[in-house]
Amino acid sequence: EAGVAQSPRYKIIEKRQSVAFWCNPISGHATLYWYQQILGQGPKLLIQFQNNGVVDDSQLPKDRFSAERLKGVDSTLKIQPAKLEDSAVYLCASSSGTGGVRPQETQYFGPGTRLLVL
Amino acid sequence: SQQGEEDPQALSIQEGENATMNCSYKTSINNLQWYRQNSGRGLVHLILIRSNEREKHSGRLRVTLDTSKKSSSLLITASRAADTASYFCATDAIGGTSYGKLTFGQGTILTVHP
Repeated sequence: EAGVAQSPRYKIIEKRQSVAFWCNPISGHATLYWYQQILGQGPKLLIQFQNNGVVDDSQLPKDRFSAERLKGVDSTLKIQPAKLEDSAVYLCASSSGTGGVRPQETQYFGPGTRLLVL
Repeated sequence: SQQGEEDPQALSIQEGENATMNCSYKTSINNLQWYRQNSGRGLVHLILIRSNEREKHSGRLRVTLDTSKKSSSLLITASRAADTASYFCATDAIGGTSYGKLTFGQGTILTVHP
């Protein structure tokens, strides 16, 4: 089966500009996650969707970050305006499980988008 | 904040040797998972151990879990150059704000020399 797809793979922008990342999860996976991974650290969860609803966005900097998952499939993560400290790899992951059922424990990760803010 | 802390931060060994990485965490968990990340790429799930399990095997991987000490170890036996990667533990905490939310540690960088 096809894995989690992400685009673009690399992005270089200047501070205060905006940027958007796209993710297409594994077909049929109800749960979608966005992580931020700063160089030398482990991934940090930004937001979790169950179908098209937000389950957890407690660590999303909502003054500049936004995410949506229209129709419960693809998702977009946006940063506006970007800061230098947003330079990181943005990882999308998905897991199976539907409705109110606990999502399948294994998460499948995409290749990530490497963002550099100058 | 990071839930898991891996030790050591970096490990360098020769091909054929065993590699052991440790993970400590702070809160009660549903399960603990280990992931591998090759340089600049996405994470790959290796193994999951539930809170009521003490040991689990998968191929050359052996994971142990001690919930009384809030710690886990990952053993890779007969290492290969292809095992060179960063290894992360991730915990699914009990009572979290969302199902399936994982908190990752800082990772151990493993280098296996041919």
